[in-house]
Amino acid sequence: NAGVMQNPRHLVRRRGQEARLRCSPMKGHSHVYWYRQLPEEGLKFMVYLQKENIIDESGMPKERFSAEFPKEGPSILRIQQVVRGDSAAYFCASSPLASVSYEQYFGPGTRLTVT
Amino acid sequence: QQQVKQSPQSLIVQKGGISIINCAYENTAFDYFPWYQQFPGKGPALLIAIRPDVSEKKEGRFTISFNKSAKQFSLHIMDSQPGDSATYFCAATSSASKIIFGSGTRLSIRP
Repeated sequence: NAGVMQNPRHLVRRRGQEARLRCSPMKGHSHVYWYRQLPEEGLKFMVYLQKENIIDESGMPKERFSAEFPKEGPSILRIQQVVRGDSAAYFCASSPLASVSYEQYFGPGTRLTVT
Repeated sequence: QQQVKQSPQSLIVQKGGISIINCAYENTAFDYFPWYQQFPGKGPALLIAIRPDVSEKKEGRFTISFNKSAKQFSLHIMDSQPGDSATYFCAATSSASKIIFGSGTRLSIRP
């Protein structure tokens, strides 16, 4: 059973470009979470999604950031008009359908560098 | 209220010694307290977790001690090994919701 997959693993963008980060949850998992980790810091929650629904986006910046988890395909975190401060590691986690499970399984992350 | 405070920021322990990392929280709605281990360039991996109705949980060399009244919990790594060198995050969550992470402890085990 493959773990959570994220791609690309490394992404370099120039200021003003768009970044698209993809996350495929573990098989059978229908809950996806996105976190951001700045250098030498802990992970900060961004958004929680289920298939076709955003459940909690309280950690998402109000502008330039969006996320989706379509019925088919991976979850996408999209950052428009990137700035240097967006440089970070972005981690996706997934959990099973049964919401009684509190365990979240993390992917290897996408390291975004904005030049 | 949503914060989880973690200390120390970094820790150096001799091989075979005990590593201790402490955390504290404010929000009494939290009902699940996981610890994550992260190696450089990797994602966090669940190490061990505890619920507040239990005062201690042990898995191999790893033990969580939980003090509900003080709203504090700690991770003890017994017989620490060089392979344990990593960054450790305490965390808290409730109802399959977002995880609130501590700031992390960088642990180095000296041979």
